[in-house]
Formats: sequence, C-alpha cells, structure tokens
Amino acid sequence: AQTVTQSQPEMSVQEAETVTLSCTYDTSESNYYLFWYKQPPSRQMILVIRQEAYKQQNATENRFSVNFQKAAKSFSLKISDSQLGDTAMYFCAFFDSGGGADGLTFGKGTHLIIQP
Amino acid sequence: GAGVSQSPRYKVAKRGQDVALRCDPISGHVSLFWYQQALGQGPEFLTYFQNEAQLDKSGLPSDRFFAERPEGSVSTLKIQRTQQEDSAVYLCASSLGLAGISSYEQYFGPGTRLTVT
Repeated sequence: AQTVTQSQPEMSVQEAETVTLSCTYDTSESNYYLFWYKQPPSRQMILVIRQEAYKQQNATENRFSVNFQKAAKSFSLKISDSQLGDTAMYFCAFFDSGGGADGLTFGKGTHLIIQP
Repeated sequence: GAGVSQSPRYKVAKRGQDVALRCDPISGHVSLFWYQQALGQGPEFLTYFQNEAQLDKSGLPSDRFFAERPEGSVSTLKIQRTQQEDSAVYLCASSLGLAGISSYEQYFGPGTRLTVT
C-alpha cells in the first residue's frame, strides 16, 4: 500500500512571498502519477498540478511548480508570488497507474495561510 | 452539467437512520470515485466505479455502506443505521478513465457534510 506524508500541518507567509509545501511518499510501484490539490474553505477540491513519475522534467503551471525527486520519493510544491486567494488546504495525492489501488491516496494536508 | 454535483450538501441524521447521498458526475466520465473526509484529514478512498461496474469497494468501512451506479452515470452512496463515527464529508469525483495522465485527473464535487447526532 502507498502512503503519502505531508509534514507541515500549517504554514503562513506574507503575500507575494514564495512558499514551498513538502510531500513525501512511499511506494514499490514504478508507474504512478502525483498530484497537488487545493481545497479552499468552500471545500471543492481543485487540481493544482500533476506529474507523471516517468517524466524527469518538473511540472509547472503558472505560479505553481513542483520539485519531483523520484529517488528520494519527494514531491514538493512551490508557489511563487503568493496571493490571498492561495489560502487553502493543500493535499498531495498519489495514483498508482499500474493497476493497483483504484483511488487516490492523499496526505493529511497542509493549511496554507497567506497574510496581507 | 459543467462539473460534479452532489446532493444534499448537508445532511443531519439521527443515529440509526439510513441516509442516501447522490453524485452526478461530469457527463461522459467513465470513472467515479467516493471518498470520506474526516475533519482535519485528507480524503480516504471508499469505492470506485467504471461505468456501472463497481470494481473496487475495498475502502468501504463496513457492510453498512453500499454504493451503486446502475446506469453508469449518477451514483448513490447509502449508509445504513448511521453511527456517530460516520460523521464526515463525503466527496465524489469523476474522471475520463481512459489512458494517459489527463484521464486520471479526478474532478471533485463540493461534498456532502454528514452529521450524525
């Protein structure tokens, strides 16, 4: 079974700063995908960014980028020029594309607070 | 519709009552997932459908939990004889379910917050 660990329960930064959220995972699978989801107070989960495990290049989406270290099983999320609207819970998630578990495995989340 | 919808958004049940939670996935999405999210925790997988077939129900916590998707579209999660520990947000998600990473992207509904008193 896979596990996902987010070691930062809460983080707080000033608007416009850069913040990095950490995520580590444990798996014996070789084919998998990794995701970061954002869950604002309204509770609807929104996909932020995704990464295929077989790709060495780190994914980027505008102000969001990841640092994917496959050997270390690390998948951190960097948010540049943070904005007040980035305040939310952020969940790291793992998906086994090799036909193992059928659902996403989530970490416990990091509550990110952007201060004005 | 444009996104995944769930109803009701809030449900209060007395212990021992049966409840039914509905999920309308994105039209054309083959895969449908149910998750349970306890307060302050990440979602935990309950069950998975591919069209009308329930391919994985390993996450259902007890035989009081039952899910169905009879026509491969709308799904219902039913909880019988609710207990206080069933209090949580129940999230539904759907995905294209074909091949490639974009098909594995799950789109979530707003959830149903169930409170058992």
